Order: sequence, then C-alpha cells, then structure tokens
Amino acid sequence: RKEVEQDPGPFNVPEGATVAFNCTYSNSASQSFFWYRQDCRKEPKLLMSVYSSGNEDGRFTAQLNRASQYISLLIRDSKLSDSATYLCVVTFNDYKLSFGAGTTVTVRA
Amino acid sequence: DTAVSQTPKYLVTQMGNDKSIKCEQNLGHDTMYWYKQDSKKFLKIMFSYNNKELIINETVPNRFSPKSPDKAHLNLHINSLELGDSAVYFCASSRDRGSLAGELFFGEGSRLTVL
Repeated sequence: RKEVEQDPGPFNVPEGATVAFNCTYSNSASQSFFWYRQDCRKEPKLLMSVYSSGNEDGRFTAQLNRASQYISLLIRDSKLSDSATYLCVVTFNDYKLSFGAGTTVTVRA
Repeated sequence: DTAVSQTPKYLVTQMGNDKSIKCEQNLGHDTMYWYKQDSKKFLKIMFSYNNKELIINETVPNRFSPKSPDKAHLNLHINSLELGDSAVYFCASSRDRGSLAGELFFGEGSRLTVL
C-alpha cells in the first residue's frame, strides 16, 4: 500500500462550483499534513497546512480525520485560476515527507 | 532574488553520458532535498541533507550521487544516464527536517531528457 494515496481525478467543475477530494495515508503515526498546489509545468507551492481542528483560508477548507487516516480539501466558489494539481503531503517522522500523486482539478467557464 | 534556484532548467543528452544539476537556496534553511517527478507526475524523494549531512537516501541507483558542499547548496550528479532517468528533477529546501520542516520551497525544476 502506498504511504499517501489520492484520487487522481480529473475533477472537471464549472466556475462557481464546490469541489472536494481526499487524501489517505497509511501510517497512523503521521504527524504533519499539508496541501500543495502545482500548476502545469511549474514547481509545487504550499497551499495550506492542515490542522487537527480543521482550518480555512478564504475559499479553501482543509480537514483532518485521524481515526480514518485521511485529509480533505474543499474549494468553494471555484475560479478558473483554481485549475491545478493538488498534492497531499504527509510527514511520518523527523526525516520524511511523502507526497501523494496529486488530484487534478479543472475549472471550466 | 529567487529563493531556490537550480540549473540548468533544461537538459537534453544522450544515453551513457554523465550530467550534473546544481541547486542553491538563499533562505538560510538547514535542509535540502532532491525530488524526481516522472511522466505520471508522482513526486518521489531521492535525497535529503540536513546541515550537509545525508539524512534521506531512498532506493535510488548509485549512478545518482548528491553532494552538499555547504548547507546552501545541494548538487546532483548522474552517471551513465539511461532513458528512464528522463524526468523533472526538483530541488527544495525547508527550515528543518521531517515533521519540523514546515513549508518546502521548490526550485523551478530541471527537465532532463535522455535520448
């Protein structure tokens, strides 16, 4: 089983829609969780950290479910500029960060 | 001023050649990484250094050799290039390692094509 798994998508949604997707992780001792965004042919950039209590940043909401070992990202009121691949990142110990393979979101006009 | 810069951005070379990719960060971070992103877009950790000490060395052919002359630089040398080495190689840095790393800052990537 992969350490971090994501639904690759693509999620094709119209502007203004809400889209949500999950990331599951295999190691129950995982400590830190993040969502990164990667645009086509660009480097990944941090979108947001994921806190135990859940957190929001504008139209983006991240949740952590430790019991079921997954994190989620919800995007409200989708914009064309939200089209990207969203990468889940999980840290397991003092040494390792692992990336999921990414979920592709395409927002259409 | 680019925070994490890597050169070259594009590299096209023949099988069997040896090539290097250089990376520098001006953020004062202690930890640097090399990631490989293949055609399926999966970002796989290759190496990580913390204060010039190798802390992560994933299952990577020994044709790949990282070198960290100081904590601001992490270079990647690849011997005897193979077709399967074609990928985008990303350098990254963070203030600390693992669960203490916080945000990773990536370079723009070096796209390697082996013919």
